[in-house]
Amino acid sequence: KQEVTQIPAALSVPEGENLVLNCSFTDSAIYNLQWFRQDPGKGLTSLLLIQSSQREQTSGRLNASLDKSSGRSTLYIAASQPGDSATYLCAVPLGSSNTGKLIFGQGTTLQVKP
Amino acid sequence: DTGVSQDPRHKITKRGQNVTFRCDPISEHNRLYWYRQTLGQGPEFLTYFQNEAQLEKSRLLSDRFSAERPKGSFSTLEIQRTEQGDSAMYLCASSLGGAGGRTEAFFGQGTRLTVV
Repeated sequence: KQEVTQIPAALSVPEGENLVLNCSFTDSAIYNLQWFRQDPGKGLTSLLLIQSSQREQTSGRLNASLDKSSGRSTLYIAASQPGDSATYLCAVPLGSSNTGKLIFGQGTTLQVKP
Repeated sequence: DTGVSQDPRHKITKRGQNVTFRCDPISEHNRLYWYRQTLGQGPEFLTYFQNEAQLEKSRLLSDRFSAERPKGSFSTLEIQRTEQGDSAMYLCASSLGGAGGRTEAFFGQGTRLTVV
């Protein structure tokens, strides 16, 4: 059974710091891994999708890495800003078939203080 | 393309009433998913459509829940005889599926249900 864990559950940093969010999964037979951002009371915004054949993906100040063999992904946020404050969720497709249904971690709630 | 759209954004209902939510996916996406999210948790999969066919339902989806996707376009999720435990955020997502396809999921803004 696939399980996804995110550590830490919450993180508070001063503005300008570089930071790393962690995501681990128990079954390495995944097609891809996706990182999302969720603002309070809102839906999910897709940040990055890493295919299983890729090691990392970058979008602006965000860089996500994937190590399937160890069952880990990290989301690196450079030069954090107060506007980055949100909950960050990682998700992997459930099962080995590419149906696209996702299993999520519980998220890391990030607060960036001005 | 305006992305995934959900309606209503918020719904307050009395216990025992029926409610229906609507989701309009990204137009070219053939896959549509419903998830439920409670406070402090990640979303949990409820059900999945490929075109108009409902291909999978989670055990979380009791017989009070029904979902449809007529003509493979918009979808509705109905909850009958609502209970307080149904209070949650209901999220809809869509993706472009297919063998070896890139299955990046795009989510709507969700419908927040409060059962009083």
